[in-house]
Amino acid sequence: GAGVSQTPSNKVTEKGKYVELRCDPISGHTALYWYRQSLGQGPEFLIYFQGTGAADDSGLPNDRFFAVRPEGSVSTLKIQRTERGDSAVYLCASSRLTGNTGELFFGEGSRLTVL
Amino acid sequence: SQKIEQNSEALNIQEGKTATLTCNYTNYSPAYLQWYRQDPGRGPVFLLLIRENEKEKRKERLKVTFDTTLKQSLFHITASQPADSATYLCALDLYAGNNRKLIWGLGTSLAVNP
Repeated sequence: GAGVSQTPSNKVTEKGKYVELRCDPISGHTALYWYRQSLGQGPEFLIYFQGTGAADDSGLPNDRFFAVRPEGSVSTLKIQRTERGDSAVYLCASSRLTGNTGELFFGEGSRLTVL
Repeated sequence: SQKIEQNSEALNIQEGKTATLTCNYTNYSPAYLQWYRQDPGRGPVFLLLIRENEKEKRKERLKVTFDTTLKQSLFHITASQPADSATYLCALDLYAGNNRKLIWGLGTSLAVNP
């Protein structure tokens, strides 16, 4: 597609449930990022992929969070045993792999609400 | 401690005036600094990137300055329009090897009144 696509746009779940959020980056973009954003805050880094491998996962808050990108394109962020504090907008971004991070192209986000 | 701060208060200006937004940081040495616009319920949209060795960058009605001595970037929108109303985010690009995570400010809300 022309832009970064994220699904679902909204997800409401109950505490303790498992959630998957999907990101389809811009075709040809090697770098893929997951951020999360709470109301009134800037985006908070979670994980960065170069191709299929996670080059930096230092932002994942704990082992309930996991992300994959098996074919170097679509990525899935997986959250186990969700907690109310996980409620946020999860943003995915992609970019060409250049000397610096460069311009990030963001999707519209997946709003997760944990009841 | 490491901090990145933007105007804490929302900015309200009259159409046609110049909006100036501030981004200050401490205890970081960014190689680049980026500015994004974010509308409610949408993802951030890239506006400008400035390198540490550049003093100023322009794009149409937008101008960014970067002072690594003051550890400050200023973002200007000239001849502002109501359509410029949004939240503006600055982000530090530390870029060191595989470190590609941007460090974001909280954003400044700008309202341009007709």
